[in-house]
Amino acid sequence: GQNIDQPTEMTATEGAIVQINCTYQTSGFNGLFWYQQHAGEAPTFLSYNVLDGLEEKGRFSSFLSRSKGYSYLLLKELQMKDSASYLCAVRDGSGGSYIPTFGRGTSLIVHP
Amino acid sequence: SQTIHQWPATLVQPVGSPLSLECTVEGTSNPNLYWYRQAAGRGLQLLFYSVGIGQISSEVPQNLSASRPQDRQFILSSKKLLLSDSGFYLCAWSAAATGRGQYFGPGTRLTVT
Repeated sequence: GQNIDQPTEMTATEGAIVQINCTYQTSGFNGLFWYQQHAGEAPTFLSYNVLDGLEEKGRFSSFLSRSKGYSYLLLKELQMKDSASYLCAVRDGSGGSYIPTFGRGTSLIVHP
Repeated sequence: SQTIHQWPATLVQPVGSPLSLECTVEGTSNPNLYWYRQAAGRGLQLLFYSVGIGQISSEVPQNLSASRPQDRQFILSSKKLLLSDSGFYLCAWSAAATGRGQYFGPGTRLTVT
């Protein structure tokens, strides 16, 4: 299985930049995902990394280093609506099931 | 485009009563389907997944069961609910096992009283 670790909570100021880290341990890495989940709602897909490097999508970017078992989600020009939980998920293909395992999520609070 | 539906949105059920939650996907064929539960302040726990009609894999022992009677329909059931079954139930689909991500339905908030 996978062991996924991400901070429980972070706070940041509107307009700033925040980096949410995720570390993982897996024997058959097959992709890393980031999701955003607002309170009381379902998670929505943000990004997918399978190769090392940075994937940029508007204000959000996601980075992966497979050798370090490390990823981060970078949020720029923070807005109040970015206050949400951010879930890191890792897919492992070693058992043949290719089911992502989710971390507990990082609750981001953006204040004025 | 693909859409995923879940119902009901909220449900309050007494202990010992049965449960049936339904999930349907539109706009895709032969999706992988998943049922997750999220307890308050907890992460997503995978309950069941299915790669095809009638094919169900269970991740955790529990008093819940799942069925996939049609390609794009996934049902979560219980014969007798427990208090510990309360939570936010999410259905998700992916295009394939190694696809780019899972896409979640709106969820069902279940409270067992």
